[in-house]
Amino acid sequence: SQTIHQWPATLVQPVGSPLSLECTVEGTSNPNLYWYRQAAGRGLQLLFYSVGIGQISSEVPQNLSASRPQDRQFILSSKKLLLSDSGFYLCAWSHRADNQPQHFGDGTRLSIL
Amino acid sequence: GESVGLHLPTLSVQEGDNSIINCAYSNSASDYFIWYKQESGKGPQFIIDIRSNMDKRQGQRVTVLLNKTVKHLSLQIAATQPGDSAVYFCAENIPHYGGATNKLIFGTGTLLAVQP
Repeated sequence: SQTIHQWPATLVQPVGSPLSLECTVEGTSNPNLYWYRQAAGRGLQLLFYSVGIGQISSEVPQNLSASRPQDRQFILSSKKLLLSDSGFYLCAWSHRADNQPQHFGDGTRLSIL
Repeated sequence: GESVGLHLPTLSVQEGDNSIINCAYSNSASDYFIWYKQESGKGPQFIIDIRSNMDKRQGQRVTVLLNKTVKHLSLQIAATQPGDSAVYFCAENIPHYGGATNKLIFGTGTLLAVQP
């Protein structure tokens, strides 16, 4: 069966520091991968998605970037964090075919001080 | 624009009763819909999905109904249990024409509170 792992679970970072959040998927090949941000009490906002190694699409202009160095690894990064980057970050994967559900990791709670 | 909204932000039900969570969507091109359950501090968990060529689909204790005429989606939970307490999100899948992936647009969620 497929599993998705995100780490760390929680992170407290000062303003202006760099960021690297990792997500890995096991048990499947060539997945689509997604990064979302969820504000408190709100829905999920798609930040990035990837259909293959090195292929990243950005959905919203922001202070963050994403990379996919391996088929089942997705990384969310920032060179300098802003206060507004605080939130709950979720990684998800889906099969490549149309009309497939996305499956989520348990997220990273990021607090910027 | 694209949007998915929920009619009731909070739903309180008695244990054993049936729950109905509603969702409106606005994009007529959406061809696939998903319900997720999110418990506190965790990621959304897939519950059930339905394609636009269907109007009803049943799972274990859950039923999803799709009314394309009025762009409405509902999740019915039978015999609601305390473990069903969570935030429930609907999501619509908009085909990515010419692309290789589909986008999910999420509603803001409904909090289901089950009273013992």
